Amino acid sequence: NAGVTQTPKFRILKIGQSMTLQCTQDMNHNYMYWYRQDPGMGLKLIYYSVGAGITDKGEVPNGYNVSRSTTEDFPLRLELAAPSQTSVYFCASSYSGTGVGDTQYFGPGTRLTVL
Amino acid sequence: AQSVTQLGSHVSVSEGALVLLRCNYSSSVPPYLFWYVQYPNQGLQLLLKYTTGATLVKGINGFEAEFKKSETSFHLTKPSAHMSDAAEYFCAVILKGQFSGGYNKLIFGAGTRLAVHP
Repeated sequence: NAGVTQTPKFRILKIGQSMTLQCTQDMNHNYMYWYRQDPGMGLKLIYYSVGAGITDKGEVPNGYNVSRSTTEDFPLRLELAAPSQTSVYFCASSYSGTGVGDTQYFGPGTRLTVL
Repeated sequence: AQSVTQLGSHVSVSEGALVLLRCNYSSSVPPYLFWYVQYPNQGLQLLLKYTTGATLVKGINGFEAEFKKSETSFHLTKPSAHMSDAAEYFCAVILKGQFSGGYNKLIFGAGTRLAVHP
């Protein structure tokens, strides 16, 4: 199993540009998540999904959109990129979201810079 | 508000020395507890977790952590540091039985960067 894969690894955007961060998991997990990691701040949840066709906002959803058309894929869309969106983005997945201490598995991350 | 506090954003130890990374949580109900490790330019990897049962939990790479309810702590230790342990370590909690929008919300601490020097 490849686990959770993310593309691209790095990207530089200009202010106002748009892009999609790709995330795929091959573990047949129902739950998927997008986090951003800012220095000294830990990880903050952007959006999550409990299954194909079902998504919901996390703590910091503004400026982002998601979709979940299949179990495997959970792309994150940035519209009108802003410098405040410079961060490292992590995708994660888990078998269930409500199990006893359910473990989330993380992808390698996408480092995004907005100039 | 529920939170996770990691004391010390940077910790430096000598190779072979004890590693102690501190984590405290604030919750009236003991949560599920996790330690993740992030090696340079990589994603987060689960080191260990505590859900129920024995309060001393052993993880990968020789790490262990002890859940102390009276101290609301879950400190991570390793008896002898190795150069390959240099990484960032995150403590995280899931609040039992409290679902946020249908899933167990994972709350992360700010992280502790561990440096190991010869």
